[in-house]
Amino acid sequence: DTAVSQTPKYLVTQMGNDKSIKCEQNLGHDTMYWYKQDSKKFLKIMFSYNNKELIINETVPNRFSPKSPDKAHLNLHINSLELGDSAVYFCASSALGPNSNQPQHFGDGTRLSIL
Amino acid sequence: RKEVEQDPGPFNVPEGATVAFNCTYSNSASQSFFWYRQDCRKEPKLLMSVYSSGNEDGRFTAQLNRASQYISLLIRDSKLSDSATYLCVVTTPGNQFYFGTGTSLTVIP
Repeated sequence: DTAVSQTPKYLVTQMGNDKSIKCEQNLGHDTMYWYKQDSKKFLKIMFSYNNKELIINETVPNRFSPKSPDKAHLNLHINSLELGDSAVYFCASSALGPNSNQPQHFGDGTRLSIL
Repeated sequence: RKEVEQDPGPFNVPEGATVAFNCTYSNSASQSFFWYRQDCRKEPKLLMSVYSSGNEDGRFTAQLNRASQYISLLIRDSKLSDSATYLCVVTTPGNQFYFGTGTSLTVIP
């Protein structure tokens, strides 16, 4: 069973379009995340979200918005796609708790290419 | 200053060699520490957690030095399959995860 699954795996679309990437985790984790990994390979946190708090990296454009219908899902919606949005987007989840020492588990990634 | 800093490498080592990576972190309140491995065009995968007393998993040894705020990963008897990028990860109170930029390792036949 896939612990963290995200769809689609590949997304090729034109500049200006609106698209969504879905993420689901079946680990019962409290917190989910979205990361962007660009061509320089640096993993940049975009959002972290549990059922109480959304933490947004202030450098993320407001064209990006996370949507969580329930604890097991955190989808990423992107408006007015730009060429610079081309990257691999990873979803992740982790258990929450002080000093929990619980790692993150990642999805396979969505490779977004803007034409 | 970045939360987590790593030497990006690349490290090119022959098979059978021992190689070590270090990673420094800036927040003295950091709570949990991990090493992840990322293969080309794949997702990061947990390699091992890092415990205060140090821990070993086969050929891999991880250590934590809270006083100097660094963690290390030692790989003994390197295999070709160890070629990957190794990411240092630190969490802070509030469950924020901070990733280093990764260290690239290539093991050469």
